[in-house]
Amino acid sequence: GNSVTQMEGPVTLSEEAFLTINCTYTATGYPSLFWYVQYPGEGLQLLLKATKADDKGSNKGFEATYRKETTSFHLEKGSVQVSDSAVYFCALMSNAGGTSYGKLTFGQGTILTVHP
Amino acid sequence: SQTIHQWPATLVQPVGSPLSLECTVEGTSNPNLYWYRQAAGRGLQLLFYSVGIGQISSEVPQNLSASRPQDRQFILSSKKLLLSDSGFYLCAWSGDLTLSYTFGSGTRLTVV
Repeated sequence: GNSVTQMEGPVTLSEEAFLTINCTYTATGYPSLFWYVQYPGEGLQLLLKATKADDKGSNKGFEATYRKETTSFHLEKGSVQVSDSAVYFCALMSNAGGTSYGKLTFGQGTILTVHP
Repeated sequence: SQTIHQWPATLVQPVGSPLSLECTVEGTSNPNLYWYRQAAGRGLQLLFYSVGIGQISSEVPQNLSASRPQDRQFILSSKKLLLSDSGFYLCAWSGDLTLSYTFGSGTRLTVV
């Protein structure tokens, strides 16, 4: 079945530090890949997505590249801010048909805390 | 524009009591609807999804049930809550032609 593995947190950084949150996946076919963010006390918001190999999703200074050869979709940001403190979820949606079609499979989430 | 409403935001219920969480979507028709649960320190687990009125698929065996009495209404229920039902419950919708979900703001349920 489909699965997503994220680096374990929590991750604690100082403001303006470089961020990487690793994400690897297992899926049949060619899934679409997503990063969602959950700010304290809120639901999930879509941060960025990529639908095919070598696509780069980007938003709010965050980037992630769909790497089919390494089955990875690592999240990066060059300079984090205190306001980036949140939980980040990597997810995939299978496009292979069958019972997995259209459903999101999430990683376990990574807590990011950014200090001033 | 499409919006999704979920309530209540927080809920504290005793063990053995019933549960009803409601989710409604506006601005779209025939959405795919989902209930996810986020247990403390764990990721998101898909509980139920629905592709139409009265059509419910359960992903994991559990103490909960779901219903879709109207096109844009999705209800999560339990007859008798267990301590293990505590968690953060998220409703979401997606369209047939979209790849991404829109999530509600969530309900934090504490069973005591």
